[in-house]
Amino acid sequence: AQKITQTQPGMFVQEKEAVTLDCTYDTSDPSYGLFWYKQPSSGEMIFLIYQGSYDQQNATEGRYSLNFQKARKSANLVISASQLGDSAMYFCAMRRETSGSRLTFGEGTQLTVNP
Amino acid sequence: DAGITQSPRHKVTETGTPVTLRCHQTENHRYMYWYRQDPGHGLRLIHYSYGVKDTDKGEVSDGYSVSRSKTEDFLLTLESATSSQTSVYFCAISESLGGLGTEAFFGQGTRLTVV
Repeated sequence: AQKITQTQPGMFVQEKEAVTLDCTYDTSDPSYGLFWYKQPSSGEMIFLIYQGSYDQQNATEGRYSLNFQKARKSANLVISASQLGDSAMYFCAMRRETSGSRLTFGEGTQLTVNP
Repeated sequence: DAGITQSPRHKVTETGTPVTLRCHQTENHRYMYWYRQDPGHGLRLIHYSYGVKDTDKGEVSDGYSVSRSKTEDFLLTLESATSSQTSVYFCAISESLGGLGTEAFFGQGTRLTVV
């Protein structure tokens, strides 16, 4: 069963504006990690940001931040000041304590940044 | 960039033929994964390995087998290719240190077409 849900197949944002990409997950494990990856049209997978379930603060990496709401089981990616180069597919992923090294991905969200 | 090489990068094969995809790493990472990427499904785990000769099934393992006789090589075999196995295949690696928060690094992908 799919453990990661990304409900937005496609999103559009104007250049220089912020955008939020949604991700919800399902697990009963107390310990887990959440990841976001970017896949541009060239096809490579690029790691963006990580949030651990016990982390007290939301993760940030440059223009990327993760809005982690543990009680709601959501881990939304926020991209500030969007750039044309942010146009890509974005994947949310989870690694659970009981799943060992497995990394499970959502269906992805295609982000288009308009000039 | 993580040293991961997938071969071949592109392949067209006929239904019913066996196909082997190779993933080679130079990072000495413990974990290796094979995913397939299809529109609307994100990345789905086929098989993964947690050490030499140690492998386990993912969520879409039917019709696929794997082998890992050396740390650096992880082979994915389609025993008798079918059109439903037309996809883009990604290999990924991850080290064991760092626990849940260790990100996976991906290869460039292999585009397989079964005709």
